[in-house]
Amino acid sequence: DADVTQTPRNRITKTGKRIMLECSQTKGHDRMYWYRQDPGLGLRLIYYSFDVKDINKGEISDGYSVSRQAQAKFSLSLESAIPNQTALYFCATSDWLNTEAFFGQGTRLTVV
Amino acid sequence: AQSVTQPDIHITVSEGASLELRCNYSYGATPYLFWYVQSPGQGLQLLLKYFSGDTLVQGIKGFEAEFKRSQSSFNLRKPSVHWSDAAEYFCAVAGGGAQKLVFGQGTRLTINP
Repeated sequence: DADVTQTPRNRITKTGKRIMLECSQTKGHDRMYWYRQDPGLGLRLIYYSFDVKDINKGEISDGYSVSRQAQAKFSLSLESAIPNQTALYFCATSDWLNTEAFFGQGTRLTVV
Repeated sequence: AQSVTQPDIHITVSEGASLELRCNYSYGATPYLFWYVQSPGQGLQLLLKYFSGDTLVQGIKGFEAEFKRSQSSFNLRKPSVHWSDAAEYFCAVAGGGAQKLVFGQGTRLTINP
């Protein structure tokens, strides 16, 4: 089983719809991240969480929200999806010292 | 806040040639530095990392990187590339404690036969 599992792997949704991307990890790490990947822009940080009670905005949090349901689960929501949120989304987890981040396989989201 | 710049968006090299991918970072203290590789359709895999000590670090797949504090750089190198090295490469920086992990824009590597 993968250390970090993202569901769904692919999703097409319509403008204005609410959508949730889920992430679970088996590493036992406290830190979890959501990134968005766009060609030429690298991975941009959307939200991150250092423990269950800690949620922090990243550089591009507008239009997104997150929920840390448990140490192992970190969900990303788009309350009202828009086409420019079409991207590849990655969840990652790391230990407290940031010694290594482990990534999920990504969720390819298309908003039409 | 920390930041990372990868000046080269796309690099093409011939198979068997040497490779150097550039990475410059901005961080107020001693950074934790990483190189990740993303093969087409895949997630990210860690190639190597630097925390402290020897400034030349060895990674998987024959890659190495050198930390140069004076130049705020952490360039990735490989003496002889293989066709399977074609991928996108990301440099990242973090610190301990309350610091987050921040990535550069990525460099796409194409290998000519």
